Amino acid sequence: EIVMTQSPATLSVSPGERATLSCRASQSVRSNLAWYQQKPGQAPRLLIYDATTRATGIPARFSGFGSGTEFTLAISSLQSEDFAVYYCQQYYNWWTFGPGTKVDLK
Amino acid sequence: QVHLVESGGGVVQPGGSLRLTCAASGFTFSSYDVHWVRQAPGKGLEWVAVIWYDGSNQYYENSVKGRFTISRDNSGNTLYLQMNTLRAEDTAVYYCARGRECSGGTCYSAAYFQDWGQGTLVSISS
Repeated sequence: EIVMTQSPATLSVSPGERATLSCRASQSVRSNLAWYQQKPGQAPRLLIYDATTRATGIPARFSGFGSGTEFTLAISSLQSEDFAVYYCQQYYNWWTFGPGTKVDLK
Repeated sequence: QVHLVESGGGVVQPGGSLRLTCAASGFTFSSYDVHWVRQAPGKGLEWVAVIWYDGSNQYYENSVKGRFTISRDNSGNTLYLQMNTLRAEDTAVYYCARGRECSGGTCYSAAYFQDWGQGTLVSISS
């Protein structure tokens, strides 16, 4: 099983600041990596797939980087609606999620 | 517009059974793999099961193998999850999610989860 880890567990950010979230896979997943956003009481929403491609309707302030085992989600200028939990997921070998990074208000 | 609506959750005693349903609309259901994903209270996401677009293959997470059965009715645009021998650790919100687009043995997108339902809560308690 491919194990996904995410850091930090919690990221405290002020509105307008840049946020950088990290995700690491226990073995290479090539570019088979997605990012999801989940707000309290809501279902996850696809943000990024194939490591770098924004899903339909996702604002340009969200960017994905990386391949192999190291990945990054960057939010260029955090908006109030971006405070949420972010999960990475590999789909190279079955499907596994990271434990999530909570982005909260500094 | 894609809609996935789960139903069938509830409170069940350990060892009991439950059948979840996911009603799909807004896309060609028979052209997509569909998944069940769960989230225990206050925890992260865990993939549970997948069924191929044509129903030809089903795969399960190890802890549910032999207890859960995923199935689909392409004529009725509906996904199911039959859950038997339920345990306390199965307590979670269960989501259905749309996966790869496939047709005639060829898949046209990667296996990420494009759309999700709102979830249905399953609680196992005596």
